[in-house]
Amino acid sequence: AQSVTQLDSHVSVSEGTPVLLRCNYSSSYSPSLFWYVQHPNKGLQLLLKYTSAATLVKGINGFEAEFKKSETSFHLTKPSAHMSDAAEYFCVVQLGSWGKLQFGAGTQVVVTP
Amino acid sequence: EAQVTQNPRYLITVTGKKLTVTCSQNMNHEYMSWYRQDPGLGLRQIYYSMNVEVTDKGDVPEGYKVSRKEKRNFPLILESPSPNQTSLYFCASSLWLAGDTTDTQYFGPGTRLTVL
Repeated sequence: AQSVTQLDSHVSVSEGTPVLLRCNYSSSYSPSLFWYVQHPNKGLQLLLKYTSAATLVKGINGFEAEFKKSETSFHLTKPSAHMSDAAEYFCVVQLGSWGKLQFGAGTQVVVTP
Repeated sequence: EAQVTQNPRYLITVTGKKLTVTCSQNMNHEYMSWYRQDPGLGLRQIYYSMNVEVTDKGDVPEGYKVSRKEKRNFPLILESPSPNQTSLYFCASSLWLAGDTTDTQYFGPGTRLTVL
């Protein structure tokens, strides 16, 4: 069963406009949630993580995400897209306490001038 | 410099020829993990290790083996590679926190494997 679903495989935004990347998860446990970014031909880099502290999590490069337990969502947002934000973004959930991690299929972000 | 290294970075091999991809980290991390990345599927976890001599299966362990004899190394072994194991492989490491959660994962640069 899929534990993490990224609702959009591709998102295209204009530079300077808001970015919204949607992620829903299913977990019987209180989850740890992460967003990672992968630029072309690069490894993955952590943007932010949620580990049951504040529900609004601020990350690097102006990104933030809000954990909504009632909606089982962890959507990633940025108020104003920059050309350098063009990349693939992965939502990740830690399943229980055994260290097993599940990645979403990824959302490819295109930023147009 | 804190880093995760993988070798080789690129490998072309033939079906059935045993191979090992090495992974090493210099951050004294307890947790290490292997992933494969395929188009449209994101990253899928192959195996992970929460400390020396402690390993467990991820989502796609078939056809792979791992070992964790030392804290810094976590090699991935393909005993008899097949073409469906052609993929981009990433190793990652992180701290293992109180409360049984992983911390930020640091990823290696990736190994592109082609099995003919």
